[in-house]
Amino acid sequence: DAGVTQSPTHLIKTRGQQVTLRCSPKSGHDTVSWYQQALGQGPQFIFQYYEEEERQRGNFPDRFSGHQFPNYSSELNVNALLLGDSALYLCASMGQPGSYGYTFGSGTRLTVV
Amino acid sequence: AQSVTQLGSHVSVSEGALVLLRCNYSSSVPPYLFWYVQYPNQGLQLLLKYTTGATLVKGINGFEAEFKKSETSFHLTKPSAHMSDAAEYFCAVSEQGNEKLTFGTGTRLTIIP
Repeated sequence: DAGVTQSPTHLIKTRGQQVTLRCSPKSGHDTVSWYQQALGQGPQFIFQYYEEEERQRGNFPDRFSGHQFPNYSSELNVNALLLGDSALYLCASMGQPGSYGYTFGSGTRLTVV
Repeated sequence: AQSVTQLGSHVSVSEGALVLLRCNYSSSVPPYLFWYVQYPNQGLQLLLKYTTGATLVKGINGFEAEFKKSETSFHLTKPSAHMSDAAEYFCAVSEQGNEKLTFGTGTRLTIIP
């Protein structure tokens, strides 16, 4: 049973560019959350999607946007990239609401130069 | 607002010795508490979680943690360290009814042969 799949695994972008990261949740999971993990830090919550709607959002600017598709997969988009956006981006999926049974993917390492 | 403090960004223990990783939290409502482990270039794996019920929680790989409300703590322990325990450990808190995780800054555990 595949867990959470993220693509690509690594990415290098130039300041000012736009990037799209992708996540396929674990089979049977319908809720997807995105986290940003800067080097040497703990993950920080970006937003959560459920039933194709953004359910809650962390303290991130509007440059960060997302989408969830009918098959529960999700995308994270970042516009006007800054050097400070360099981080590991983690996707986490969850099945039954209130179970707090998150499964994390291995992440996408984004480097902005 | 909720927050997590992990005391000690680096902890070293000898193989076979007790592992103790400290976590204190702040939450205005009864918290849900989690410990995750992260190996190099990988995502987060859940070790254990406390939601309700018994305050001593047993997890995978011989780890356990005790929720102490009076001390606002959720320290992680393991009686005997193995080389394979070397990794980064993150404590996280969530509020009941809110599935957003707030992480600490992590503790890097090194095992000395």
